Amino acid sequence: DSGVTQTPKHLITATGQRVTLRCSPRSGDLSVYWYQQSLDQGLQFLIQYYNGEERAKGNILERFSAQQFPDLHSELNLSSLELGDSALYFCASSAELSGNTIYFGEGSWLTVV
Amino acid sequence: GIQVEQSPPDLILQEGANSTLRCNFSDSVNNLQWFHQNPWGQLINLFYIPSGTKQNGRLSATTVATERYSLLYISSSQTTDSGVYFCAVLTQGGSEKLVFGKGTKLTVNP
Repeated sequence: DSGVTQTPKHLITATGQRVTLRCSPRSGDLSVYWYQQSLDQGLQFLIQYYNGEERAKGNILERFSAQQFPDLHSELNLSSLELGDSALYFCASSAELSGNTIYFGEGSWLTVV
Repeated sequence: GIQVEQSPPDLILQEGANSTLRCNFSDSVNNLQWFHQNPWGQLINLFYIPSGTKQNGRLSATTVATERYSLLYISSSQTTDSGVYFCAVLTQGGSEKLVFGKGTKLTVNP
C-alpha cells in the first residue's frame, strides 16, 4: 500500500459525459501528480500541483482540469468524454517538489462507451 | 525534452533465471525511479536511485548518472515478478514531471 488513495477504482460512462476522479496523497505529501496510461500512449504526465498551486503541465487536454484543495486532496475532472479517453488514470504524490520518491495510487480505470 | 529508452522491450524467462534491464536517458537527472506494474495495473515503487547502487532482496539497481544509464537486476526470478518494469526520470532545471520509458515486459514461466 503506497498510501495514495484514489477513487473510484473503476468507472464506466458514456461519451459526452463528465467524471471526477479523486485522490488523497500520502500523509504529509505536498505534491500531487496526475498521469494517464493508455495502451497506445504509455504513461503520460498530465499535471502537477504543489501545496495547492499548479506547478507543471503536461499533455493535458483542455477538456480536462484539475485542482488541489487546502486539505491537499486533488481532483481530476474529465468532461465531454470521448472513447479515446478510456485509460487508467494515476495519481501520485511526493513530499516535496522534486528529489523525492514519488508514490503512485492504484489508479482509476475509466471506460468510455 | 528528455528521452528515456528501456531495453529489452520484452523478456521471457524460466523461473530461477537472472536478468538485467537497462534504462538510458538523454539528459542529466535528479530523480530516477524503477517501478513494477503488476498484471492488475498497480505501479509499485522498487527503487529511488538517482545515483549509486541499492539492493532489496532479489532486486538490485545501479545508476551511473555521469553515463546516463541505470540497470535493474532481478535474480532467481519468480512468476510473481512478471509484469512491466518502468524506469522514470525527473529532469534537472525545474521541469517537475516524471518522464517514463516505454517499459520492459517481463514474463516468468514456471
